[in-house]
Amino acid sequence: SQQGEEDPQALSIQEGENATMNCSYKTSINNLQWYRQNSGRGLVHLILIRSNEREKHSGRLRVTLDTSKKSSSLLITASRAADTASYFCATDAYQAGTALIFGKGTTLSVSS
Amino acid sequence: EAGVVQSPRYKIIEKKQPVAFWCNPISGHNTLYWYRQNLGQGPELLIRYENEEAVDDSQLPKDRFSAERLKGVDSTLKIQPAELGDSAVYLCASSLEGYGTGKPGANVLTFGAGSRLTVL
Repeated sequence: SQQGEEDPQALSIQEGENATMNCSYKTSINNLQWYRQNSGRGLVHLILIRSNEREKHSGRLRVTLDTSKKSSSLLITASRAADTASYFCATDAYQAGTALIFGKGTTLSVSS
Repeated sequence: EAGVVQSPRYKIIEKKQPVAFWCNPISGHNTLYWYRQNLGQGPELLIRYENEEAVDDSQLPKDRFSAERLKGVDSTLKIQPAELGDSAVYLCASSLEGYGTGKPGANVLTFGAGSRLTVL
């Protein structure tokens, strides 16, 4: 089963533009993570935000978390062609005994 | 430092044939995961090991899938017999600390490149 639902499913932008993707989930969580997957490769961890945090930054990435709405967003600023990949949110409810549950992902295409 | 190593990268087999995937996690990582990723979907957990113990295999189709992690290091995932619907990418991941321990990095996964299975 997949708890997270990313929106949009696909996003196409030009280099230099910002990319925003959203994730909604269903049950209470301990933290939420974002991963990137380049075509034909494994997933790479980008950032983790805990349930008691509202915003977190890492380089050009900004993640927000709204536990009341059960949603998170990932903002990539000043996108580059190298950011072209699929992005997945993963909810972590380890206190419920479940492992990371991934959403279906957003496919981002950045053209130069 | 080598990352999570998986082999083979690609495998094409006829249905009803057996297939096995191998994973070598990052040295010192006690927790190992096998995920399956269907085309256009996110990864779905098949099994999680803490050292050599399978602590979560509720999503593993036990009639045809089996896994082992002897000595708590390498792991093998086997499918016998394979069905058309098993075509997917099988991802192995590891993490430093036990899942849910609350220790730094406990629930952050490092993935291998995956093994892409095509069943004809």
